[in-house]
Amino acid sequence: GESVGLHLPTLSVQEGDNSIINCAYSNSASDYFIWYKQESGKGPQFIIDIRSNMDKRQGQRVTVLLNKTVKHLSLQIAATQPGDSAVYFCAETSFGYKLSFGAGTTVTVRA
Amino acid sequence: EAGVTQFPSHSVIEKGQTVTLRCDPISGHDNLYWYRRVMGKEIKFLLHFVKESKQDESGMPNNRFLAERTGGTYSTLKVQPAELEDSGVYFCASSQDTGRAFFGQGTRLTVV
Repeated sequence: GESVGLHLPTLSVQEGDNSIINCAYSNSASDYFIWYKQESGKGPQFIIDIRSNMDKRQGQRVTVLLNKTVKHLSLQIAATQPGDSAVYFCAETSFGYKLSFGAGTTVTVRA
Repeated sequence: EAGVTQFPSHSVIEKGQTVTLRCDPISGHDNLYWYRRVMGKEIKFLLHFVKESKQDESGMPNNRFLAERTGGTYSTLKVQPAELEDSGVYFCASSQDTGRAFFGQGTRLTVV
């Protein structure tokens, strides 16, 4: 399941496949970026972050890529599982305080 | 360690009434934030406290919204009088310094 380069509000992915979620950010001065996962009835949960002096960062089953030239951020989820179904938000900030969130992508994992 | 807690989890009030939302940040976090998500749109910043001081309240919609953080611990967000367009999910978050903010589960406010 991919939405390469383009932000889509929804993404349907087969269980076990890799997912790519895209986000375009607006502020060229932003120096810190975070991906959050929000499940129904819960608040946003931190997934992974990246600072502007990096272009890639890996976590457990997740990778964030940052392209400052085109102001693009992506989240890759390896071997997507049913528990990955949620709304995913990217957020950006400069000076590390106020977060500006993207529109969110609803990921649905098909069994 | 307890996370960010918000109370109540849901509130349904009539237009014109007053509602007060409460947020208890993670202990030791000086930074406390309020955000709001309205009708499935993106999450929007409301304001930022550093201890008991308002650092940035540029996102507050209008003067019907009042946030306080007396003593620099928990915070309240009062909406008075509530209007229909105030319906949404109000999130509180806290952070120790710049960087990762931890969010509460949110308060779903419905104004009828």
